[in-house]
Amino acid sequence: QVTLKESGPVLVKPTETLTLTCTVSGFSLSNARMGVSWIRQPPGKALEWLAHIFSNDEKSYSTSLKSRLTISKDTSKSQVVLTMTNMDPVDTATYYCARLSSSWRGNWFDPWGQGTLVTVSS
Amino acid sequence: DIQMTQSPSSLSASVGDRVTITCRASQSISSYLNWYQQKPGKAPKLLIYAASSLQSGVPSRFSGSGSGTDFTLTISSLQPEDFATYYCQQSYSTLLFTFGPGTKVDIK
Repeated sequence: QVTLKESGPVLVKPTETLTLTCTVSGFSLSNARMGVSWIRQPPGKALEWLAHIFSNDEKSYSTSLKSRLTISKDTSKSQVVLTMTNMDPVDTATYYCARLSSSWRGNWFDPWGQGTLVTVSS
Repeated sequence: DIQMTQSPSSLSASVGDRVTITCRASQSISSYLNWYQQKPGKAPKLLIYAASSLQSGVPSRFSGSGSGTDFTLTISSLQPEDFATYYCQQSYSTLLFTFGPGTKVDIK
């Protein structure tokens, strides 16, 4: 069974750096057809894709947030880590990690972690 | 970046109704389009991938169609458990994934 679980602080202060960890099970982060993305959702708003890391360690980032994001992975620990610098109250959201499955037909996110709500407030 | 739009942004429907949601991409994305369902307080769930392929375990009342820039998600007979928000997502740009703004389906 494939599962992903997010962990990290519930509350961060403005200007601080957020570090979130996604721990996966049921698949390997070195699998050539797999990767993991971070996606967030402010309360009552839409999903926003943030960053992705491929099995070969290639990374991609949201154009609008690229300067603030860093994604990395530790294959031996089955973990993907996202850091976001200079947090602001508008970054208050539920942060999800999701596995990306890839084939010649495209790429899709399945499954998703349960999400972790991060609030930015002083 | 490829932009995604959805219409309508919300709709009210009754159990048994046929529901259609449209998603449009700002440029051709071939069939690299996925649909997700999200219920309140829950993570999104994959319904349809590659525009028209039903994810395992998803009821057959859900179907997807389209290619290029215009796509459709259809629920043939709306069930009580289908009241949720639906998002489309493009994977044509494998380095810059984008989601649509969502369509909320609620009870009429």
